[in-house]
Amino acid sequence: GQNIDQPTEMTATEGAIVQINCTYQTSGFNGLFWYQQHAGEAPTFLSYNVLDGLEEKGRFSSFLSRSKGYSYLLLKELQMKDSASYLCAVMDSNYQLIWGAGTKLIIKP
Amino acid sequence: GAVVSQHPSWVICKSGTSVKIECRSLDFQATTMFWYRQFPKQSLMLMATSNEGSKATYEQGVEKDKFLINHASLTLSTLTVTSAHPEDSSFYICSASRGAGGADTQYFGPGTRLTVL
Repeated sequence: GQNIDQPTEMTATEGAIVQINCTYQTSGFNGLFWYQQHAGEAPTFLSYNVLDGLEEKGRFSSFLSRSKGYSYLLLKELQMKDSASYLCAVMDSNYQLIWGAGTKLIIKP
Repeated sequence: GAVVSQHPSWVICKSGTSVKIECRSLDFQATTMFWYRQFPKQSLMLMATSNEGSKATYEQGVEKDKFLINHASLTLSTLTVTSAHPEDSSFYICSASRGAGGADTQYFGPGTRLTVL
């Protein structure tokens, strides 16, 4: 079966760095997405990785290793507004998005 | 940009009535649109995928006669919840993709919160 694993919840301190991991097992691979979802709101697109390596976009970076079926989202200089759920999703060989359950990130002052 | 709007943002209706939710891609043509449902503190659940001009593909367990989807143009898809019941109360979110079959980034609308009394 297809499976996406990410931690249920993480806590970090304002100004610090946090890494949210995602491992996946899917039938085929056409890229991995990270989305941010604030409580009561719809997800917003953060990043897309299809090749191995690190993609940096401001305070957020996303890494992919296809051979390991692994990705992480790195958030630097954490701000209180970064408190949200972070969703990992993999596009399989049929271009279907397989969603992880999301990681709830709690930022403390 | 890639902006997707949804209307209405929230709706309260009586049991047995039908509710229509619109999803529009404002600045791009959406070959594929997706409808999701999300219950509190749960992950997104894909309900159906629709391609412009063709019938929607429903996920297992989603009643196509209850959740009617129309993707009439490259910028508009509608979801109609027919004969809504309290258990249909949920957060309904659409997303749109430029690529056929969803082979592209999905951009989400702001969601519609449905409460059925």
